[in-house]
Amino acid sequence: EVQLVQSGAEVKKPGESLKISCKGSGYSFTSYWIGWVRQMPGKGLEWMGIIYPGDSDTRYSPSFQGQVTISADKSISTAYLQWSSLKASDTAMYYCARRGKYYDFWSGPGPFDYWGQGTLVTVSS
Amino acid sequence: DIQMTQSPSTLSASVGDRVTITCRASQSISSWLAWYQQKPGKAPKLLIYKASSLESGVPSRFSGSGSGTEFTLTISSLQPDDFATYYCQQYNRGTFGQGTKVEIK
Repeated sequence: EVQLVQSGAEVKKPGESLKISCKGSGYSFTSYWIGWVRQMPGKGLEWMGIIYPGDSDTRYSPSFQGQVTISADKSISTAYLQWSSLKASDTAMYYCARRGKYYDFWSGPGPFDYWGQGTLVTVSS
Repeated sequence: DIQMTQSPSTLSASVGDRVTITCRASQSISSWLAWYQQKPGKAPKLLIYKASSLESGVPSRFSGSGSGTEFTLTISSLQPDDFATYYCQQYNRGTFGQGTKVEIK
């Protein structure tokens, strides 16, 4: 069974750093792209970036380039999303999601066939 | 940037109704379009990809159509489990629509 299990909720202060995780199981972790999606309170979905754990090829949405860092450790089948200096506006639910293999070529960040349960990040002084 | 606009933002419907949600792209995206369902407090679930291909395990009352700039998601007979928010995504660039909430009439 394919599963993406994310790390638990975080409460941080502005200016602090944070790294959240997404552990994949039940499939070949190195063979599928893993994306990150933000959902601010009461709002819609925003694609942030995506990584291919097999070779760490990483692509970012222009809106999030330079604001976050995406990485992966294929030895433990885990992808990460990190911030060096959090802002109150980073308060949101963050989902990791697996890009399904519906194409034999890079077609873009999606569609996402399996999703993690989400990690709630709260940034408040 | 390609913008995705969904309509309506909210839809009130009854069990058994035929429901149609529209997603328009600001420029042609061929068939690079997916539809997701999200229930409160849950992660999104993939329903449709390649604009009209039904994801495995998704009930056949869901269908997608369109290409280029205009797409639709249709639920042929709304079931109690279908009350949720629906998002389109043009996955060539990753952009999601703003969502359509389907609520009980």
